[in-house]
Amino acid sequence: NAGVTQTPKFQVLKTGQSMTLQCAQDMNHEYMSWYRQDPGMGLRLIHYSVGAGITDQGEVPNGYNVSRSTTEDFPLRLLSAAPSQTSVYFCASSLQGASNEKLFFGSGTQLSVL
Amino acid sequence: AQKVTQAQTEISVVEKEDVTLDCVYETRDTTYYLFWYKQPPSGELVFLIRRNSFDEQNEISGRYSWNFQKSTSSFNFTITASQVVDSAVYFCALSEDYNFNKFYFGSGTKLNVKP
Repeated sequence: NAGVTQTPKFQVLKTGQSMTLQCAQDMNHEYMSWYRQDPGMGLRLIHYSVGAGITDQGEVPNGYNVSRSTTEDFPLRLLSAAPSQTSVYFCASSLQGASNEKLFFGSGTQLSVL
Repeated sequence: AQKVTQAQTEISVVEKEDVTLDCVYETRDTTYYLFWYKQPPSGELVFLIRRNSFDEQNEISGRYSWNFQKSTSSFNFTITASQVVDSAVYFCALSEDYNFNKFYFGSGTKLNVKP
């Protein structure tokens, strides 16, 4: 089983460039989310989605856009990258609701913005 | 203010030692949920346990045990007889949302278990 797949694993951008981090899951999970992991700060929620066509902001949404056109995919877009967005990005998914407390995480995308 | 605090940045122990990872949380909600996740060197986070605020019963799973104390807002994690494979970063997390839409993670504790 593939689980949660993130691409690319590594990316270097120049300030002002745009890019999309891809996230796909094959578990038919309704809930998907994006986190960023910074040293000394743990993981912080950027955006999340509870189903196709539904997205909402997390703790640190500024500078990021998301959309959820299918259940499987939840891409994260950086429209104009900034050095402050250098981080490790994790996508996570789960079945919606209190019946399933497990977040399944992807292996992460390490992004550097120069 | 951080909702979840893991004051121990890094801990090193020798194999077979017991180790406790501390987690202190802050919330105004009366119903909330606490979690521990493990992040091995491969990177992805792996779910370990969830506790509900209305269930203070401690839990043991093999060499792992969790001590939940509402009076001190703590949810500590103990590994008994640690092994090298336990080396990882461990995250404590809080959700105030019944549907677990939003998690607040601590900054993590890196555990090094030396042979």
